[in-house]
Amino acid sequence: GNSVTQMEGPVTLSEEAFLTINCTYTATGYPSLFWYVQYPGEGLQLLLKATKADDKGSNKGFEATYRKETTSFHLEKGSVQVSDSAVYFCALTPYSGNTPLVFGKGTRLSVIA
Amino acid sequence: EAGVAQSPRYKIIEKRQSVAFWCNPISGHATLYWYQQILGQGPKLLIQFQNNGVVDDSQLPKDRFSAERLKGVDSTLKIQPAKLEDSAVYLCASSLGTWAGTEYGGYTFGSGTRLTVV
Repeated sequence: GNSVTQMEGPVTLSEEAFLTINCTYTATGYPSLFWYVQYPGEGLQLLLKATKADDKGSNKGFEATYRKETTSFHLEKGSVQVSDSAVYFCALTPYSGNTPLVFGKGTRLSVIA
Repeated sequence: EAGVAQSPRYKIIEKRQSVAFWCNPISGHATLYWYQQILGQGPKLLIQFQNNGVVDDSQLPKDRFSAERLKGVDSTLKIQPAKLEDSAVYLCASSLGTWAGTEYGGYTFGSGTRLTVV
């Protein structure tokens, strides 16, 4: 089956610290991989995505590289800000078209000034 | 473009009562999803529609949950009777419904309905 495993939170960092949130996946075929962010009181928003091996998704200073050999899609940011405090979800959809997202449990990030 | 609209935003009911949620997807999006997000967990798919037909409802507790998408646009999700464990945020999402839509991150989520069963 298809599943996503994320590192447990919460993660607390000081402003300008380096962020890594680990994500590994199990999937049949060649999935597309996503990171979604959920800010307090808001809905899920797509942060970045990658659709094939070695692709790098990037947005708002966040990056993640699709690593097929390690079945991973770790989220990184070089210098976090207080405004990055949110819950981050890793997700996949199998390469079978028009299929729903399968989410990890989410990782809560708190950035303190 | 307008986003995915959901209502109500919040709902508190007693156990064994019934409740309904409404979702209006992005215009032109053929595929509609309902997800259940329990506190501290990732969203879990309940049901997927393609136009007005059900594609996947394997994880929908059909003894108490029902959903419909009349005319392939708006959708309603109903719970009857509600249990305490149904307390969660119910998310609606839509997508173009094609692989191209998926490939280009074509899923859009609504803000959700937070249900509390007491």
